[in-house]
Amino acid sequence: ETGVTQSPTHLIKTRGQQVTLRCSSQSGHNTVSWYQQALGQGPQFIFQYYREEENGRGNFPPRFSGLQFPNYSSELNVNALELDDSALYLCASSFGRGARNTEAFFGQGTRLTVV
Amino acid sequence: DAKTTQPNSMESNEEEPVHLPCNHSTISGTDYIHWYRQLPSQGPEYVIHGLTSNVNNRMASLAIAEDRKSSTLILHRATLRDAAVYYCILSSYNNDMRFGAGTRLTVKP
Repeated sequence: ETGVTQSPTHLIKTRGQQVTLRCSSQSGHNTVSWYQQALGQGPQFIFQYYREEENGRGNFPPRFSGLQFPNYSSELNVNALELDDSALYLCASSFGRGARNTEAFFGQGTRLTVV
Repeated sequence: DAKTTQPNSMESNEEEPVHLPCNHSTISGTDYIHWYRQLPSQGPEYVIHGLTSNVNNRMASLAIAEDRKSSTLILHRATLRDAAVYYCILSSYNNDMRFGAGTRLTVKP
């Protein structure tokens, strides 16, 4: 186990609703990244937070937003859910700004189904 | 953005070495090369990463071409537990990791 926990593990929402996913990062880590993984594909980068500020964003619309708290846990919020938002959402924690030269630890993910 | 290209699938026999190739011909000078693997119903797991020099750790070795346009992940003795999807990833200045479709490794007993 990596020490990165995500909740809930599974979630079913209706199109147009809003959802909040949570991530508790590994102890000592101050960077959290979020990824979306559609079935059969590799994870796609959504955004990254470093010490409570957004520190990079992928090609996702503004209805995908996030927060990082002083204890470095994080939330991913998605508004106006669409059917294509159905995916596994992964959170990864690491240490340091510009965490490209370090190891990231992933959680087990939250499986979101939009109906 | 630079992309990676990997074979869709590879097979190996147990206890034999495995060489997983990755092409990244448009890599930029500051991109790090990472390898992660993902078992079914789990999040990706870090394997190894490097910039220019070859790297070794307890899990694997990473061989990076001199021009950095390709790399190879080497598992020295494959076990059944190494069966997974292996992702070759470039990590750029804006801190994202760009995953491709990965290589599904099957290990035969």
